[in-house]
Amino acid sequence: AAGVIQSPRHLIKEKRETATLKCYPIPRHDTVYWYQQGPGQDPQFLISFYEKMQSDKGSIPDRFSAQQFSDYHSELNMSSLELGDSALYFCASSPPWGASTDTQYFGPGTRLTVL
Amino acid sequence: AQKITQTQPGMFVQEKEAVTLDCTYDTSDQSYGLFWYKQPSSGEMIFLIYQGSYDEQNATEGRYSLNFQKARKSANLVISASQLGDSAMYFCAIFTTGGGNKLTFGTGTQLKVEL
Repeated sequence: AAGVIQSPRHLIKEKRETATLKCYPIPRHDTVYWYQQGPGQDPQFLISFYEKMQSDKGSIPDRFSAQQFSDYHSELNMSSLELGDSALYFCASSPPWGASTDTQYFGPGTRLTVL
Repeated sequence: AQKITQTQPGMFVQEKEAVTLDCTYDTSDQSYGLFWYKQPSSGEMIFLIYQGSYDEQNATEGRYSLNFQKARKSANLVISASQLGDSAMYFCAIFTTGGGNKLTFGTGTQLKVEL
């Protein structure tokens, strides 16, 4: 079965640089979520999109922005990177409401290292 | 606000034995979903099992079962016949209709399966 695809899988950046993370949800899933997991931490919700509109916002820094495109893929843009942004970034997708459950299926994650 | 509490930072179990990972939750919402995810050392977040707040029967998925006690607000994960490949971090999470479009995770339990 198709899974959530994230690219790149690993990314190394310098401080103050920018990064773009991409997420391709499971086909026919209409909601995308972004989470950040710091070392030894549980995942923290950043932002979500439903049908290409932002639906909820969590602890996402102003330096980050995201959007969902017409093909439902999503991109997380991160600017002025800081050492503390080093983390595993997950994208997850869920099926349309009423399809089954609210289960969020996670991608493999993008491991961002800021030097 | 929603909260998940996992009181066992680490657990050991012998191969082929059953193990219970504890999870308690706090929410004022009547409608919610409870999830367990497995995170191996490779980092991916794997969905294991889901329990809806209105489900009267405990959820089961193969060797995984969820011991749902609504009055106690607990949703413990039971893994039967543990295997070496079960060694991983396990996260309990909650999704509520009134809590924003996101999962709130506990701090996780590191499970080690021994021979």
